[in-house]
Amino acid sequence: AQTVTQSQPEMSVQEAETVTLSCTYDTSESDYYLFWYKQPPSRQMILVIRQEAYKQQNATENRFSVNFQKAAKSFSLKISDSQLGDAAMYFCAYFLGNNRKLIWGLGTSLAVNP
Amino acid sequence: DAGVTQSPTHLIKTRGQQVTLRCSPKSGHDTVSWYQQALGQGPQFIFQYYEEEERQRGNFPDRFSGHQFPNYSSELNVNALLLGDSALYLCASRVAGGPVGEQFFGPGTRLTVL
Repeated sequence: AQTVTQSQPEMSVQEAETVTLSCTYDTSESDYYLFWYKQPPSRQMILVIRQEAYKQQNATENRFSVNFQKAAKSFSLKISDSQLGDAAMYFCAYFLGNNRKLIWGLGTSLAVNP
Repeated sequence: DAGVTQSPTHLIKTRGQQVTLRCSPKSGHDTVSWYQQALGQGPQFIFQYYEEEERQRGNFPDRFSGHQFPNYSSELNVNALLLGDSALYLCASRVAGGPVGEQFFGPGTRLTVL
């Protein structure tokens, strides 16, 4: 079965500190892509970061970076220098090109405390 | 440059009724996917349209149908509504040949079935 597991339903972090959100996935495919999306209270799903499975180098986008461990099927998101605007639901997802669809986790709700 | 737009924002229907949701993709995008997001859950893939054809479908009954128009906009139709159809319906667009799996989401339509 193709699944995505986010083991932390809720997380909190102090403003300006660093937080890591966990994600594991299960697929037997070798060609896939991993994503972290952010969904603030406005409901709009926003792409945070993208990682190609064939790339060993971890993706980075400003304050957001990932720790991609392919053998362990782990894809965690690190948010540095957390800001109040980072408060949102964060979803981990992966995409199998031949299936043309995203498989999603249940999400982690992140609170940022001032 | 307008992003993905969806209408209406909110909708209330009663069981057994039919509903049509609309989506206009981001400028330059030609592929539209629809997702259902129940409260507290990650999105579930409904189907994807490209060149006015349904390319891929998730595990949803035939009550869920769609259409894509020549201008790439899309509709999602749900017949014989059930209480369990209450959810946020998300539309996502991408350009064929663009970064694999990367999609841009609209703000969603919140459907409540009473």
